Amino acid sequence: KTQVEQSPQSLVVRQGENCVLQCNYSVTPDNHLRWFKQDTGKGLVSLTVLVHENDKTSNGRYSATLDKDAKHSTLHITATLLDDTATYICVVGDRGSALGRLHFGAGTQLIVIP
Amino acid sequence: DMKVTQMPRYLIKRMGENVLLECGQDMSHETMYWYRQDPGLGLQLIYISYDVDSNSEGDIPKGYRVSRKKREHFSLILDSAKTNQTSVYFCASSFRTEISNERLFFGHGTKLSVL
Repeated sequence: KTQVEQSPQSLVVRQGENCVLQCNYSVTPDNHLRWFKQDTGKGLVSLTVLVHENDKTSNGRYSATLDKDAKHSTLHITATLLDDTATYICVVGDRGSALGRLHFGAGTQLIVIP
Repeated sequence: DMKVTQMPRYLIKRMGENVLLECGQDMSHETMYWYRQDPGLGLQLIYISYDVDSNSEGDIPKGYRVSRKKREHFSLILDSAKTNQTSVYFCASSFRTEISNERLFFGHGTKLSVL
């Protein structure tokens, strides 16, 4: 059973618009949550890591929240650019970084059009 | 330079042939991983290596084996490839630490087609 569900599956926005990507999970324990960006045909690049209950992070135009009680995270992208076109993947770790299992979502495909 | 390098980028093999996928990293990371990515699914862990000759099965190890003889190199081997092993394979590496926000680095992937 999939333990990390992302929505929407795909999303089309116009350049300059904001968007919100959702991640719901059932992984227990939930030590941390990561968001990655994957350009077509490329590897995953880390955007942010959330660790604590009600954590919030910001990385330029990307910001993320984590609600461990609800087992839910959001990734906000502000003022989208054409280069934001990619698949965004939510990953939940059940222990500190390398020592536990990482549970990957299937990703949200974001397409930014002019 | 902080990167994970995978070779080759693309590979076409016939069913029953042996396959060798190579991965290297230049960060002296103890831990390395092999994942596969299939359409509509999240990445699935095949094997994890905690250091030289210290390898553990992941969630889908059947049909695969690995080799780690040097810290910077981690190989994935398919003995007698099957068509259902057609996939994109990713290698990743990180320091072995309990620090939750330790960075995880991925290679660009190897697209394997088994005909």
